Amino acid sequence: QQQVKQSPQSLIVQKGGISIINCAYENTAFDYFPWYQQFPGKGPALLIAIRPDVSEKKEGRFTISFNKSAKQFSLHIMDSQPGDSATYFCAAISRDDKIIFGKGTRLHILP
Amino acid sequence: KAGVTQTPRYLIKTRGQQVTLSCSPISGHRSVSWYQQTPGQGLQFLFEYFSETQRNKGNFPGRFSGRQFSNSRSEMNVSTLELGDSALYLCASSLMTGYEKLFFGSGTQLSVL
Repeated sequence: QQQVKQSPQSLIVQKGGISIINCAYENTAFDYFPWYQQFPGKGPALLIAIRPDVSEKKEGRFTISFNKSAKQFSLHIMDSQPGDSATYFCAAISRDDKIIFGKGTRLHILP
Repeated sequence: KAGVTQTPRYLIKTRGQQVTLSCSPISGHRSVSWYQQTPGQGLQFLFEYFSETQRNKGNFPGRFSGRQFSNSRSEMNVSTLELGDSALYLCASSLMTGYEKLFFGSGTQLSVL
């Protein structure tokens, strides 16, 4: 079974700090890697995504770093704010249209 | 533009019953996909429908089925409910096929007693 391993399960960061969530995949057939943010009682919302032909993508305070050789990618949240407290999911989509999600990271930003 | 609407929001059923969940996609979106979310397994893909045809299916038993209507609205059915089917069921819509830009609804929380 194709897997995407996400870590840590939970993370506590001080306001203004950098939050880092990591994902690792096994199958090289994956070619699109989105991150989703989910607040309690809501569905996930697409945050940012990357393809393996670039090593980094930045949108505002959110950055994806991608290491193709290590088959790892990570989400960095700069200047983390209490409003960023949510569960974050990484995902991987393969060329034959399979989507696999990581198990999620519960992020809490201390005020 | 209205978002993805899922009904009902909460549902309580007993083992052995069947249940139907409904999803109305964003206007103009033709693809609807369904996901099961549980604390233990996280988010898992169930199936995708496009133009009333099932285009893709995840690794779930045949008790889980779905359909899509000509207006792109979709329903998901689970027959012979088991305790382990308790989960948040999410649907997502997108303009075309695939999963690169999914818009999720808030889900239906199903509890099986």
